[in-house]
Amino acid sequence: GAVVSQHPSRVICKSGTSVKIECRSLDFQATTMFWYRQFPKKSLMLMATSNEGSKATYEQGVEKDKFLINHASLTLSTLTVTSAHPEDSSFYICSARDLSGTDTEAFFGQGTRLTVV
Amino acid sequence: GQNIDQPTEMTATEGAIVQINCTYQTSGFNGLFWYQQHAGEAPTFLSYNVLDGLEEKGRFSSFLSRSKGYSYLLLKELQMKDSASYLCAAMDSNYQLIWGAGTKLIIKP
Repeated sequence: GAVVSQHPSRVICKSGTSVKIECRSLDFQATTMFWYRQFPKKSLMLMATSNEGSKATYEQGVEKDKFLINHASLTLSTLTVTSAHPEDSSFYICSARDLSGTDTEAFFGQGTRLTVV
Repeated sequence: GQNIDQPTEMTATEGAIVQINCTYQTSGFNGLFWYQQHAGEAPTFLSYNVLDGLEEKGRFSSFLSRSKGYSYLLLKELQMKDSASYLCAAMDSNYQLIWGAGTKLIIKP
């Protein structure tokens, strides 16, 4: 299957700082990328959907100004957690799909474990 | 509204067979996915069904009934490494994935 690379896999940051997470599709063009947040023992919670070259669509309850998403190219989307607080500590996962083709499978990045201290 | 239901937890014995059920209600339907997720890792793709019937892939099989809004994942010859959470996700008419909460599968020797 296609490869999606997410970086970093783990990050610890101080409260009040910002953290950027990158999601790259390595061998296909991802017209759409999805950002999820997962709490312990919970399923994936969709935060936002980003389409290349346009603004991300955020799910209800997700703060746009706090979770900045940029999808500048067909192979890269970034999620920036601004002014991070301990309650932002979570597992963040990106997935990418190429909706221009017939393959509808979502390919996931490795996930990023964010700890805000 | 859109909804996915699957059991929270199941326990099975090594070498046995287990079936994990999933029911869904979505606005439109473009297929049903099963993913495996080990603790602390991202989900990995197991199967995709869009037509009624059974899809077999090695020790894993997935079944879909569109009329009943129902799917199951069948795992045969269970191994200890199959201990994980299994996520059911239905794709709606907008190609959005609607996720179930996951079924934690515990394998006992």
